Parts: sequence; C-alpha cells; structure tokens
Amino acid sequence: GENVEQHPSTLSVQEGDSAVIKCTYSDSASNYFPWYKQELGKGPQLIIDIRSNVGEKKDQRIAVTLNKTAKHFSLHITETQPEDSAVYFCAASMVGTDKLIFGTGTRLQVFP
Amino acid sequence: NAGVTQTPKFQVLKTGQSMTLQCAQDMNHNSMYWYRQDPGMGLRLIYYSASEGTTDKGEVPNGYNVSRLNKREFSLRLESAAPSQTSVYFCASSAVGIRSYEQYFGPGTRLTVT
Repeated sequence: GENVEQHPSTLSVQEGDSAVIKCTYSDSASNYFPWYKQELGKGPQLIIDIRSNVGEKKDQRIAVTLNKTAKHFSLHITETQPEDSAVYFCAASMVGTDKLIFGTGTRLQVFP
Repeated sequence: NAGVTQTPKFQVLKTGQSMTLQCAQDMNHNSMYWYRQDPGMGLRLIYYSASEGTTDKGEVPNGYNVSRLNKREFSLRLESAAPSQTSVYFCASSAVGIRSYEQYFGPGTRLTVT
C-alpha cells in the first residue's frame, strides 16, 4: 500500500522568510496530493492540492511542486507570517478513491 | 452550515469501558471517515464509509466498530477501551466527485483511557 514520508518534523523560521516542507510517496499510481493545515485545537483544513498532470500550483503565498519521477512533492510558503504557525500534513491518494494516506506532519513556527 | 460536528469534545474512560463517538455532517457528502491522530504518527484512517449503508476498514481498524446510520451520521464505537486507544479522534466527510476530493474535518474528540 501507499506510504508517505514527511520532513522535517519541526521547522522554525523568522517572519518574512520562506518555508519548505517535503514529502515522498511510494505508490506510483497515486495521482492526487493535498496539503492540510491544522491549527491548535482544530481539525485539519485543506490549503492546496495538486494532481499528477500538473507540475506546480500556486495560491498567493503558497505553492506546491510535484516531481512524479522522483515521487516527491513539496509545499512552499513565502513571506511567512506568525499566523502561518501550525502543523502541516501532506497526503496522497489515487483519484477516484476515498482514502488519503497522510504524512506524519510538520510543526511550523514563525517567529516575529 | 455547521459543517462536521463531533460529540463529545473530551472523554475519559477506564480500561474496559465502552463508548460511542458521534459525527454528523450537513454538507450532503457521500463519504465519511474516522481518523485517529497520535504524536509523531500523523492521521491514520480507522474506518470509512463511501456511501450510506457501506463501511470499510482503514489502516488501524482493530478495537473499533462503526455505523453509518444515515447519510448525515457516522459513529465510531469502542467496545472495550484500552490505554492504546488514547488519542484524538477526527471525523471527516467529502463529496468525492470529479472536481473535488477535499475532506472536511470536525473539531476532534480527545479521548483518554486510563
């Protein structure tokens, strides 16, 4: 079955710097890769996703890149702000299936 | 819309006790899920239901049972709680259509088994 590895487990950056979180997946059939943000005491919330027919997707300060050959994808946050502090999860699944396999999470801290 | 709601928010059980976690969604989603979240292990799927009347095992189903009562409600039951089931439990739902696979999560239930 699918396995998703996520690094780093913790990341501290200064406000205004960029942050990058990386994930690798094992099943070459996976073709849908979402990223979720979880704030303290809340459930995860989708922030961006990408399908395997696209190499990069941007939404304001957030971008995701996908390398199908290497089976890895990354989340890029530019101009970080304190409100970006949260736990971020990557996930993978096959389009048309119900199940997501999540990475172990990255705790991002943005210091003012 | 309330989205996905879960009850209770917190629960403490003694080993061997049973309880049911309740989940409901008002978005008319077909698919519903139960996850557990443990430190350093991310979110792991316990059970899911692709539609009313169907349920399937996820990664970590042992010790749990589920019921998809109707399209809105999906409950998770612990028949005989064990300390290893101490965790935060999240319910989620999704439309799983051609355009969207977004899962919407509830606020979670923090369960402690002593």
